[in-house]
Order: sequence, then structure tokens, then C-alpha cells
Amino acid sequence: GQNIDQPTEMTATEGAIVQINCTYQTSGFNGLFWYQQHAGEAPTFLSYNVLDGLEEKGRFSSFLSRSKGYSYLLLKELQMKDSASYLCAVRGRTGANNLFFGTGTRLTVIP
Amino acid sequence: DAGITQSPRHKVTETGTPVTLRCHQTENHRYMYWYRQDPGHGLRLIHYSYGVKDTDKGEVSDGYSVSRSKTEDFLLTLESATSSQTSVYFCAISETTDTQYFGPGTRLTVL
Repeated sequence: GQNIDQPTEMTATEGAIVQINCTYQTSGFNGLFWYQQHAGEAPTFLSYNVLDGLEEKGRFSSFLSRSKGYSYLLLKELQMKDSASYLCAVRGRTGANNLFFGTGTRLTVIP
Repeated sequence: DAGITQSPRHKVTETGTPVTLRCHQTENHRYMYWYRQDPGHGLRLIHYSYGVKDTDKGEVSDGYSVSRSKTEDFLLTLESATSSQTSVYFCAISETTDTQYFGPGTRLTVL
């Protein structure tokens, strides 16, 4: 089976740094994705990790540890527009393209 | 942004009626997917396609069928809608087995 866990909600202050964690237990592992989803809109791709380590993309970074079944998304210099849900998704078996999503973390950025 | 449209964007129907949702892409991507998104569950894969006339089931396929007669169109059909199929439906596309890009979604209400 697939089990992907994220905190349900988080609150952070504008200009600060926030880390959103994701732990997973899946049958096979072939990559982990982070998506951002504003209320009422489609998920949009943020990052992809398949090897251990940190991937940095501007204000957003994503980290993966395959041995620990753990990832985090780091958002720096928070802006009000970063208020959204952040979805962690794992691709399972090699060659399969099914993504298994966590329930998402709703981030609220306050002034 | 990937060129993906979904129609209709909103639909209200009654239990027992057939419903077809359409996903159209202009990217010529090989893979297309249908997900549903419900509170507390995250995105769940219904069906996907890896080419014209090539489709496979996802984790919540019961009560749904799909067809792909052209590269650009992927149809999702609810043969006899039930209230449990009230949801937001997202189509996604990908060129390879990597990043999936999502359409704007269809909000379906079954009364």
C-alpha cells in the first residue's frame, strides 16, 4: 500500500522561512514531487527529487532522504501569495507513472 | 503553462444519469490522466492513458470508464452517476513518466 503523510495546516509570517515535511511508505520509489495549489485552482509543479539531497529553485528548495522515506519543501522569504496548499506526491514502481498524493498542507502566510 | 482545457468546468446532475467529462491538450503529450480530489483524501488517480486507445486503471476506477481516440482528447465517463462521485476532477498530462501538468478542473455535483 501507499502511505504519505503531511501536516494538515501551517501558519508562518511574511518574510520568514517555513519547512513543510512529508514522510512516505510506498511499494517502490521512483521520485517525489511537490505541487502548489491555490484554493479553487489546479496544482502547479514546484519540484522533483529522485536522488538524495537538496534541489534549489529560487525561493523554494526540496530535500529528499530515500533511506528515511522523508522529504521537505523549504520556502524562504515568504510572501502573501505563498498562501496555498502544498501537495507531496510519490511515484511508485519504476516504469509506472502513477502518482500517489498526500492530503496536502494548507499554508497560511500572515503579515 | 501546458495547454490543457477541461469541459465543462462546472456541472450539476442527478443520480443515475450518464456524465462525460472532456480533457483536451494542445501539447501532443503521450500520457493523460484523470484524478479526483476530495477533502481528506488528496488527489487520487482514476484512469490513465499511455497512448491512443491505450488506457489503464488507477486506484479508484470503479464506476468510471475512459476513452482516448485521439492524442489530444481523453474522456472520462460516469455511466450512472452517484452522489459519491461528487468531486473535483482534474486532468493531467505528461510527455514522459516525469512531471505531470494539471488542467483547471471540473467541479461535478451529483444530486
